[in-house]
Amino acid sequence: DQQVKQNSPSLSVQEGRISILNCDYTNSMFDYFLWYKKYPAEGPTFLISISSIKDKNEDGRFTVFLNKSAKHLSLHIVPSQPGDSAVYFCAARGDGGSQGNLIFGKGTKLSVKP
Amino acid sequence: DTAVSQTPKYLVTQMGNDKSIKCEQNLGHDTMYWYKQDSKKFLKIMFSYNNKELIINETVPNRFSPKSPDKAHLNLHINSLELGDSAVYFCASSQVTLGSGANVLTFGAGSRLTVL
Repeated sequence: DQQVKQNSPSLSVQEGRISILNCDYTNSMFDYFLWYKKYPAEGPTFLISISSIKDKNEDGRFTVFLNKSAKHLSLHIVPSQPGDSAVYFCAARGDGGSQGNLIFGKGTKLSVKP
Repeated sequence: DTAVSQTPKYLVTQMGNDKSIKCEQNLGHDTMYWYKQDSKKFLKIMFSYNNKELIINETVPNRFSPKSPDKAHLNLHINSLELGDSAVYFCASSQVTLGSGANVLTFGAGSRLTVL
């Protein structure tokens, strides 16, 4: 039973354009959402997060939007660069009993073409 | 200086063997984790551990056991390895302070286990 879903396994975008990565979740008790980026043969690295009480958080080229009513969040990368090519994981922080464990989606592989 | 380091990076072994993967973090974090990324690419929590509490994902077979000699280390022991244990295992750490923001995990580079 997937609580965090990334329904697009891959996305291809031209350099300079916007990349939009989507994520859906089922548990309304999640209090934080995070995006991680992963290069091959490396561990995931933290990119950006958003609290469930916010609807937008921005950090440079990266913006995360949260729509609680739809249980949906998205990561926007503008402008996209070839170095952004990686697998992006959406993650949600579990409810209080799990001491902060993160539940991950399956990832979306982003390819940014020069 | 690697923040979360795990060894070995690659491990190939026969079914039925017992193996360990070591993890060390130099971030001073109080909580460490083991995640498993299987062939379907899902990253799933196996264990989280801090000085006070070990939380085990109930779907993890008891052949898997975490061992923490101190706050900076969390090793993963696997007994009687099976073909289905083949996966990439990621160690991670964080400073868990409930109510003070997102729990940002710092991951190691992963250990790819292949069981033949």
